[in-house]
Amino acid sequence: EPEVTQTPSHQVTQMGQEVILRCVPISNHLYFYWYRQILGQKVEFLVSFYNNEISEKSEIFDDQFSVERPDGSNFTLKIRSTKLEDSAMYFCASRDRPEAFFGQGTRLTVV
Amino acid sequence: SQQGEEDPQALSIQEGENATMNCSYKTSINNLQWYRQNSGRGLVHLILIRSNEREKHSGRLRVTLDTSKKSSSLLITASRAADTASYFCATDRRGNTPLVFGKGTRLSVIA
Repeated sequence: EPEVTQTPSHQVTQMGQEVILRCVPISNHLYFYWYRQILGQKVEFLVSFYNNEISEKSEIFDDQFSVERPDGSNFTLKIRSTKLEDSAMYFCASRDRPEAFFGQGTRLTVV
Repeated sequence: SQQGEEDPQALSIQEGENATMNCSYKTSINNLQWYRQNSGRGLVHLILIRSNEREKHSGRLRVTLDTSKKSSSLLITASRAADTASYFCATDRRGNTPLVFGKGTRLSVIA
């Protein structure tokens, strides 16, 4: 069964450093999303991406964040200068119908 | 915000009992979906109910939707220890728009 894959599974970074989280969505899907989940809390929408551009973004997705689909298969989330409060699980999702398929997440720890 | 809010926040039951989780939301929707999350893992789609449907079944899952009350419930019958997970409802405004998740219900099924 096709699946969304995310790398790395864990990332520890120093405050102020840039991080790039990577995702490979399901190949025939057209809509891509990033969500985050602070430990034990709700799943928060960050950004959606369609037709090679951002289609919607939340208040969380400020100038420190950017997304890219560099090569037609990968979908990346970049955080330019990480803060302690960016520590969370980051999930990528893709869909071509109402149901979304999620990756297993990247646990980002900012120290 | 259209976010769903589940209750209870946590539910502990014996194996074989039924588990009922509720979700409320605020705005009009195209469909409502339920997802399951095992600890530290990604979200897995369980079932979707469209705004013009009132009830849907899938195996041991039964979901209801009351659009007049802006609420939904998920019933898991004959629960098993393996059903232990967090369960989230997610609302979808018009299909392919970002899913908006509630805070989730943590279900513990005790063998």
